[in-house]
Amino acid sequence: GQQLNQSPQSMFIQEGEDVSMNCTSSSIFNTWLWYKQDPGEGPVLLIALYKAGELTSNGRLTAQFGITRKDSFLNISASIPSDVGIYFCAGQHQETSGSRLTFGEGTQLTVNP
Amino acid sequence: DGGITQSPKYLFRKEGQNVTLSCEQNLNHDAMYWYRQDPGQGLRLIYYSQIVNDFQKGDIAEGYSVSREKKESFPLTVTSAQKNPTAFYLCASSHLNRGYTDTQYFGPGTRLTVL
Repeated sequence: GQQLNQSPQSMFIQEGEDVSMNCTSSSIFNTWLWYKQDPGEGPVLLIALYKAGELTSNGRLTAQFGITRKDSFLNISASIPSDVGIYFCAGQHQETSGSRLTFGEGTQLTVNP
Repeated sequence: DGGITQSPKYLFRKEGQNVTLSCEQNLNHDAMYWYRQDPGQGLRLIYYSQIVNDFQKGDIAEGYSVSREKKESFPLTVTSAQKNPTAFYLCASSHLNRGYTDTQYFGPGTRLTVL
């Protein structure tokens, strides 16, 4: 199946620092999604992107849909301890895969107080 | 409350036994999905269903079975043929073919341990 490369795999930062993570694909998507998963819980949707070049914010989170439709990034500003968790990107191409999502392998974020 | 429920949260079974994981949604979503997550890894699709009484294999369907007799329910059976069943299982649901609202939403997960 399609592959998404998500980086970095893990990040260790100090509280207050900004964070950036990204996903790249060998094929195009028409939707990019970013989820956060707390330990032992299901992923929760953070941001959804539907148009190439789109830049969307949700509080301290900002995500962009790459202009080539093959990449996306997520930024977290002024990190706080509750930002700890695993962040997943997911891509969707409805014409070729319907409602199926392709997931990246996740970025494990640790925030030191 | 609207949402997706999975039960139980933790499940222990002996090797060789079949086990069924429950997933229910009251969001009136058309499509439902089952994923498997192993430690430190991403989500892999097991099965999905876009309409009642129909379902399709995902990337890792071997050793699993599903049914979709009701729109709200999509139970997953982990059979004895699954060689390494211990994992965290996630159910998700979404609308279908509504463009912006096709986003998948996840349940809280079931952690299955086979002893």
